Parts: sequence; structure tokens; C-alpha cells
Amino acid sequence: SQTIHQWPATLVQPVGSPLSLECTVEGTSNPNLYWYRQAAGRGLQLLFYSVGIGQISSEVPQNLSASRPQDRQFILSSKKLLLSDSGFYLCAWGPKPFASQNTEAFFGQGTRLTVV
Amino acid sequence: GDSVTQMEGPVTLSEEAFLTINCTYTATGYPSLFWYVQYPGEGLQLLLKATKADDKGSNKGFEATYRKETTSFHLEKGSVQVSDSAVYFCALARGAQKLVFGQGTRLTINP
Repeated sequence: SQTIHQWPATLVQPVGSPLSLECTVEGTSNPNLYWYRQAAGRGLQLLFYSVGIGQISSEVPQNLSASRPQDRQFILSSKKLLLSDSGFYLCAWGPKPFASQNTEAFFGQGTRLTVV
Repeated sequence: GDSVTQMEGPVTLSEEAFLTINCTYTATGYPSLFWYVQYPGEGLQLLLKATKADDKGSNKGFEATYRKETTSFHLEKGSVQVSDSAVYFCALARGAQKLVFGQGTRLTINP
């Protein structure tokens, strides 16, 4: 069966420090991969998605970047964190759909990031 | 662009009450519709889905019907339990690549 691992679970970082959150998927190949952010009291915002190695689409211009160095690995990074980067970050994967099928997503447990 | 609008929360009910959480969407074509649930401190789990008009998704006593004429996908449950307390997200997928979520509705069930 497929599993998704996301770490760390919680992180407290000072303003201006770098960030690296990692997500890996097991039990599937060539998945679509996603990073979402859930800010306090707000909904889910899609940050990045990837349909393959090295292919990253950014949904919202911001202080973050994403990379996909391997098929089942998705990394969220920042060179210098801002206070506004605090939130709950969720990684997700989805199978490649056939033809006109729409995809669904399977989520990791999330990383709660607090920038101080 | 595609969007999803959910009823404002938080929603507080007593155990065994009837639940409705409204969800409407804006999208061209024929999206698939989903309800996800997030229990405290956890990631999201798929609760139910519907892929075409008039489909009814159901799971764990929850139901939602895909209404194309009203562009809605309201979540209902006949008798809620304390364990149903969570944040519920409505979402749509149109095309092959990404889900668009609503803002979420926090549900609290009191014993």
C-alpha cells in the first residue's frame, strides 16, 4: 500500500533562518506531488505541485521554493523565513489519472512551523 | 478561476443533531467534488467524493450529492457524534493536476 511521510512534525525557527521540509512517498511511482499551507484560522492554500522530477509549478508568489530531486521526494525550502511563513504545511500525493478522470490527493501528517 | 465556498464556521451542535455544511463551487466543465476531514493535529483524510452530476458520495454516515444545477455539494449527517468533531474541507478537481479547497468549517459536537 502507499504511504506518505512528512517531517519534521513541528518546527520552531527564527526569522531569517533557512527552511527545509521533506516529504517522501512509498508504494507508488510517478505520482503528482503537492505542498499546501494552512494558516491559522484559514483554509488550505496550494503552494506548489509537481507532475515529475524537476517539474515544479508555483501557485502563489512568495518566499518559498520547492524541488523534486527524485520521483517520490518533494522538498519545500526557504532561504530566509518570514514571520508570515508560520503555518501548518501539508504534503500530498495523487495518482496520475487516466484520460478525463480527476485526481484525488492523499495527505501526510503535516508540519507545524512557527517562525519567531 | 476555479473556487470553492463553504459556510462560515465554527459550527457547534449537540450529539445526535442533524448536520449540514454547505459547499458551492465555481468551475467550468465537470469537476469532481470531494469532502476531506482533518482531525486535531492530523493531516487531511478523504471522507467522500462524487465524480459526476447527481452522484451521491457517502462514508461513515456522511452524505453529499453533486448538484450541477445549483453548483453545490452540501455535506449532511443525520446524527452526529462527539468523534465527528473536526475541520471539514470541500474541494474540487478539474483536470488532471490539482485540488482546490474551500476555507474549511470547524465542527464541534458537545455531548
